[in-house]
Amino acid sequence: GENVEQHPSTLSVQEGDSAVIKCTYSDSASNYFPWYKQELGKGPQLIIDIRSNVGEKKDQRIAVTLNKTAKHFSLHITETQPEDSAVYFCAASPPGGYQKVTFGIGTKLQVIP
Amino acid sequence: DGGITQSPKYLFRKEGQNVTLSCEQNLNHDAMYWYRQDPGQGLRLIYYSQIVNDFQKGDIAEGYSVSREKKESFPLTVTSAQKNPTAFYLCASTPLDGVNQPQHFGDGTRLSIL
Repeated sequence: GENVEQHPSTLSVQEGDSAVIKCTYSDSASNYFPWYKQELGKGPQLIIDIRSNVGEKKDQRIAVTLNKTAKHFSLHITETQPEDSAVYFCAASPPGGYQKVTFGIGTKLQVIP
Repeated sequence: DGGITQSPKYLFRKEGQNVTLSCEQNLNHDAMYWYRQDPGQGLRLIYYSQIVNDFQKGDIAEGYSVSREKKESFPLTVTSAQKNPTAFYLCASTPLDGVNQPQHFGDGTRLSIL
């Protein structure tokens, strides 16, 4: 089955700096890669996603890149703000795999004012 | 507003007791899921359901049971056979329209042992 590894597990950055979280996946059939943000005591919320036919996607301060050959994808947050502090999860799923979403273990991001 | 409602937010279980966690969605989504979240272990799939009256075991189904009698509802029962039930439980849903879609999550139920 699919295996998703996520690094780092914790990340501290100064406000205004950039943050990068990296994930690798094992199943070359996976074609959908969402990123979720989870605030304390809440459920995860989608912040950005990318499909395998796209190499990069950007939404304001957030961007995701995908390297299908190397089977890794990354989340980039620029100009970080204290409200970006949360746990971020990457995930991967194969085509039509509504039941086969595999999540990384999460990265706890702390933005220091 | 459409969304997923989980209740209760906090739940305590006595030894030998079964407890049921509620999950209701008004998003008209076909698929629903239950995940267990433990510190440092990400989200692990317990059960999922694609349609009413049908559900499948996930990676850690032992000690849990579910039902899907209505499209909107997918309750999870934590049975006494689950020896380590303390965790944060998340319910999610997604539409099934032929293309992978993101999952929508509720705000979870935290279960503890008395």
